[in-house]
Amino acid sequence: GAGVSQSPSNKVTEKGKDVELRCDPISGHTALYWYRQRLGQGLEFLIYFQGNSAPDKSGLPSDRFSAERTGESVSTLTIQRTQQEDSAVYLCASSLGRDNEQFFGPGTRLTVL
Amino acid sequence: GNSVTQMEGPVTLSEEAFLTINCTYTATGYPSLFWYVQYPGEGLQLLLKATKADDKGSNKGFEATYRKETTSFHLEKGSVQVSDSAVYFCALRNSGNTPLVFGKGTRLSVIA
Repeated sequence: GAGVSQSPSNKVTEKGKDVELRCDPISGHTALYWYRQRLGQGLEFLIYFQGNSAPDKSGLPSDRFSAERTGESVSTLTIQRTQQEDSAVYLCASSLGRDNEQFFGPGTRLTVL
Repeated sequence: GNSVTQMEGPVTLSEEAFLTINCTYTATGYPSLFWYVQYPGEGLQLLLKATKADDKGSNKGFEATYRKETTSFHLEKGSVQVSDSAVYFCALRNSGNTPLVFGKGTRLSVIA
């Protein structure tokens, strides 16, 4: 596709359940980023992939959060045993390389009841 | 550490009014500075950027000048339109430090 896509667009889950969020980056983009935007807050960096390795995981808030990437393609962000404070919009971005412009997807709005 | 502070919204303006959204930053090194815009129902888009002191970024009638002496990157537009209604985010990225650091965003509503 022409841009970064994310699925689902909305996810409502119960506290304690696991969720998987998907990101399809722009074809050919080697760098991929996950950010989180909680209500009234700026975007928080979560994790960065270069290819399928993750040289920077410094933003992951707890060990309940993990992410993987297949080659230079799809990435999934997994949140285990969700908590209400995980409710946020999760944004994915991709770029040609680490210093190039980042293009953002529309986000996944996660609501944990 | 690196941080970005931008004026809190919401900001409501009449069409053709002058817009300023203030943004100041704290950073180690010499960051690049960005303004992103998020239109309703859409993803974040890069609006403009500046990579060194005194650079002016401009796009779609918006401008921002990288002011090292005041650590600021205020966004301005001389005459806003209803279609400019969106959330605007100021951000920085240090060289060699890939993640963007964002401000909290400022919601702009322009009324006809």
